[in-house]
Amino acid sequence: GQNIDQPTEMTATEGAIVQINCTYQTSGFNGLFWYQQHAGEAPTFLSYNVLDGLEEKGRFSSFLSRSKGYSYLLLKELQMKDSASYLCAVGSTNAGKSTFGDGTTLTVKP
Amino acid sequence: DSGVTQTPKHLITATGQRVTLRCSPRSGDLSVYWYQQSLDQGLQFLIQYYNGEERAKGNILERFSAQQFPDLHSELNLSSLELGDSALYFCASSAHRGTEAFFGQGTRLTVV
Repeated sequence: GQNIDQPTEMTATEGAIVQINCTYQTSGFNGLFWYQQHAGEAPTFLSYNVLDGLEEKGRFSSFLSRSKGYSYLLLKELQMKDSASYLCAVGSTNAGKSTFGDGTTLTVKP
Repeated sequence: DSGVTQTPKHLITATGQRVTLRCSPRSGDLSVYWYQQSLDQGLQFLIQYYNGEERAKGNILERFSAQQFPDLHSELNLSSLELGDSALYFCASSAHRGTEAFFGQGTRLTVV
C-alpha cells in the first residue's frame, strides 16, 4: 500500500516563505504531485516531480528525494490568497493511480 | 476551468435513497477517478476507470458502484444512503495512468 504523511496545519506571514513537507512510502513510485485546494473547491494541480531535484514554477517550487521518500513544496512571497490546503499525492505504477495525503492547511496572516 | 464537468453541483436527498452522480472527463482523457471528501477531511480514493475498464478500487462501500461508458463519461451510483455519506464527491480525469489529474468542481451531497 501507500502511506503519505504531511503536517496538518501551518501558519505563516504574508510576504514570508513557507515549506510544506511530505514523506511517503510506496511501491512502484511513479511521480509526486502537489495540489492546492481552497475550501469547498476542487483541487488544482501545482507541480509534478518524478526525478530527484527542484522544480521551480514562479513563486512555487517543489523538491523530491526518491531515496528518502521525501518531498517539499516551497511557497515564496506569500499572499493572503495562498491560504488553502496543500495536498501531496503519490503516483504508483502498481496502483495506476495517485494516492493523496490528508493535506496541510496553510493560513497566511497579515 | 479544468475541462471536467460534474453534475449535479448540489444534491439533497433522504436516507435510504439512491442517487447517481455524473462526470464528463476532459476531452481525450481516458482515466476517470472518483474521490470522496467529507467535511474537513482529506480526499479518499473510491475507484478508477481507464477506457471503460475498472483499474483500481479504494475504500468504496458495497452500496456504491460506478461505471465508465463508451463515450468515456462516468457515473457513480450511491444507494441506501446514510447520513455519513454526506460529502463532496469529486471526479478527476487524466490522460494516462500516473499523470496529473484534473478535477471537476464536485457534487455536494447532503443526506438528511
